[in-house]
Amino acid sequence: DQQVKQNSPSLSVQEGRISILNCDYTNSMFDYFLWYKKYPAEGPTFLISISSIKDKNEDGRFTVFLNKSAKHLSLHIVPSQPGDSAVYFCAASDGGATNKLIFGTGTLLAVQP
Amino acid sequence: NAGVTQTPKFQVLKTGQSMTLQCAQDMNHEYMSWYRQDPGMGLRLIHYSVGAGITDQGEVPNGYNVSRSTTEDFPLRLLSAAPSQTSVYFCASKPRRNTGELFFGEGSRLTVL
Repeated sequence: DQQVKQNSPSLSVQEGRISILNCDYTNSMFDYFLWYKKYPAEGPTFLISISSIKDKNEDGRFTVFLNKSAKHLSLHIVPSQPGDSAVYFCAASDGGATNKLIFGTGTLLAVQP
Repeated sequence: NAGVTQTPKFQVLKTGQSMTLQCAQDMNHEYMSWYRQDPGMGLRLIHYSVGAGITDQGEVPNGYNVSRSTTEDFPLRLLSAAPSQTSVYFCASKPRRNTGELFFGEGSRLTVL
C-alpha cells in the first residue's frame, strides 16, 4: 500500500512559467515532509522541507505548501528554468517514531526553453 | 569530503549468485538506509539502521540482508539473486537527530539475468 503518492508521472511546462508538483499521503502520523530532486545517473538531492506545524515554506524559487486536513502537499517552482528538468520525489517521515523516510513514485518535470 | 560512497556502480549477476553492495559514509551519521528505485515505483526502503548494531526492515526487505558493525559502513547482501532484484540501489545517511534530510550515494545499477 503506497503511503506517499505522486499521481502525475510527468509534467511539462514552459520556461518562466510556474511548475506545480503534487503529492498525497495516507499516514496521519507523518509530521515532516521533504522534496528531493534527481538527475539521471545521480543520487537524489534534498530540495526543501516542511514541518507539519507549518503550512508553507519558501526557499528562493521553491515553495512547499502543506494541507494537513487533505493530507496533500505541493511544490511550486517559480519561475521554472530548463535546469529544473529532473525527477522530483516527495517524501514523508514520522519524525522520532521510526526515523524512516517514505518516498513517492516521482514526477518527471520537463521545462521547455 | 566524500560523503556517501557506493561500490560497485554497475554489476551483472546470474540468477542464484550472491553479492554485496558496499556503502560507506564519512560524515559520522548514525542513520543509514538502502533504497531501490524501479520505474513507476519510486524509491522504496529496503532496510535501515539507526546506529551500529541496530538494523530494521523497510518496505521491501525480502531477499536482502544487512548488518551494521561500524558507524561508517552499511553493506547490503543479496544471498541468492533473482531477476526481480534488477534495480538501481541507493544508500543514504543522515544524523539520527535530523528529522528528514538524507544524503544519497550515486547509486549502484544491478542487473540479474
